Amino acid sequence: NFMLTQPHSVSESPGKTVTISCTGSSGSIASNYVQWYQQRPGSAPTTVIYEDNQRPSGVPDRFSGSIDSSSNSASLTISGLKTEDEADYYCQSYDSSNPWVFGGGTKLTVL
Amino acid sequence: EVQLVESGGGVVQPGGSLRLSCAASGFTFDDYAMHWVRQAPGKGLEWVSLISGDGGSTYYADSVKGRFTISRDNSKNSLYLQMNSLRTEDTALYYCAKGGYRVYWGQGTLVTVSS
Repeated sequence: NFMLTQPHSVSESPGKTVTISCTGSSGSIASNYVQWYQQRPGSAPTTVIYEDNQRPSGVPDRFSGSIDSSSNSASLTISGLKTEDEADYYCQSYDSSNPWVFGGGTKLTVL
Repeated sequence: EVQLVESGGGVVQPGGSLRLSCAASGFTFDDYAMHWVRQAPGKGLEWVSLISGDGGSTYYADSVKGRFTISRDNSKNSLYLQMNSLRTEDTALYYCAKGGYRVYWGQGTLVTVSS
């Protein structure tokens, strides 16, 4: 079964830039779109990136997504970190067996 | 504005049943596939089930196949999840989510399976 692997946690200081990776277990991650969701404590997830690198209206341009075929990975980059960015972040893609596959989630701490 | 409101969660004994509902508004409901996703306490997101816009195609995670049934009533803009033979490991917050290029999520309804 296709799996997406994320680091368990990352931390960075306010104003800095952080990148969260999402590595596919098999095949080419570039074959299917990757989405990224932000989940603040006690809240439902919200979409911050869809279709690899598209930002929904209302999401700051500090958030960006990319695909690196050489490492079979997707990445979410957040620049100019703010304390409000502290949250869990999940990547999601597709698989022939399951319509949606989620990464395990990454806890971002802004300290 | 897209709104998704789940209901129907509660406490149920192992082996019991529960029916979740999701009321949708703010978009043309039958144009979109809909999903159920769950999150066990302190854990990550787990996809549960998908139904196509016309209700003709359904898909399930292996962990719920044969026990859960997804359905929708497009005349009522509503999505459902019938959960039978519930197990303690089904305890989670259950979200409905609108498919499409941008995913929208409800606030979730809590299901607790405990004796």
